[in-house]
Amino acid sequence: DGGITQSPKYLFRKEGQNVTLSCEQNLNHDAMYWYRQDPGQGLRLIYYSQIVNDFQKGDIAEGYSVSREKKESFPLTVTSAQKNPTAFYLCASEAGGPYYNEQFFGPGTRLTVL
Amino acid sequence: QQPVQSPQAVILREGEDAVINCSSSKALYSVHWYRQKHGEAPVFLMILLKGGEQKGHEKISASFNEKKQQSSLYLTASQLSYSGTYFCGTEASNFGNEKLTFGTGTRLTIIP
Repeated sequence: DGGITQSPKYLFRKEGQNVTLSCEQNLNHDAMYWYRQDPGQGLRLIYYSQIVNDFQKGDIAEGYSVSREKKESFPLTVTSAQKNPTAFYLCASEAGGPYYNEQFFGPGTRLTVL
Repeated sequence: QQPVQSPQAVILREGEDAVINCSSSKALYSVHWYRQKHGEAPVFLMILLKGGEQKGHEKISASFNEKKQQSSLYLTASQLSYSGTYFCGTEASNFGNEKLTFGTGTRLTIIP
């Protein structure tokens, strides 16, 4: 069964700690994305990767880091430099190509920093 | 720059129709529509490409007016299952430097 998974569903961390959110897909998609969702602000792009070992900053990359060592995996690290990390984080994948296609979203991770 | 969606929220009775608009200040190549139920991931509805193509998906259809840089999502004879937040995502014409940018969403509530 193909899909995209994120873990954990809920995550609690103390202020000042780094935390890594997992995102895995078995859809054989080239492109992967990380979005942050806050109430009333829609989906904002943090980082994206169109191919293994390459990634680009999105609109709100400050305080976040990513890696793309494998096609299936695109973990996101929320660092202590991120001023307001409490949010709902969504990972998505897409087949890739010259134009945007349907994005498949994971179930999300709700991060709460205490 | 985020596209602007209107209205921000709407409440309808089952069976009524709804229109959700998405406007951009940039020339667009495509518009994407997603629906997100509370606490869940967004789910793809449809993509409209430059050329004014209208698409349909069951009782949900959409249009794209490239001259006005605007797309509208039409929900006909709404069902309870249509409740959720609808997002448009826009892709500017000069692809290569632009990313898919989502609007802030329209919350649709269908009541019996």
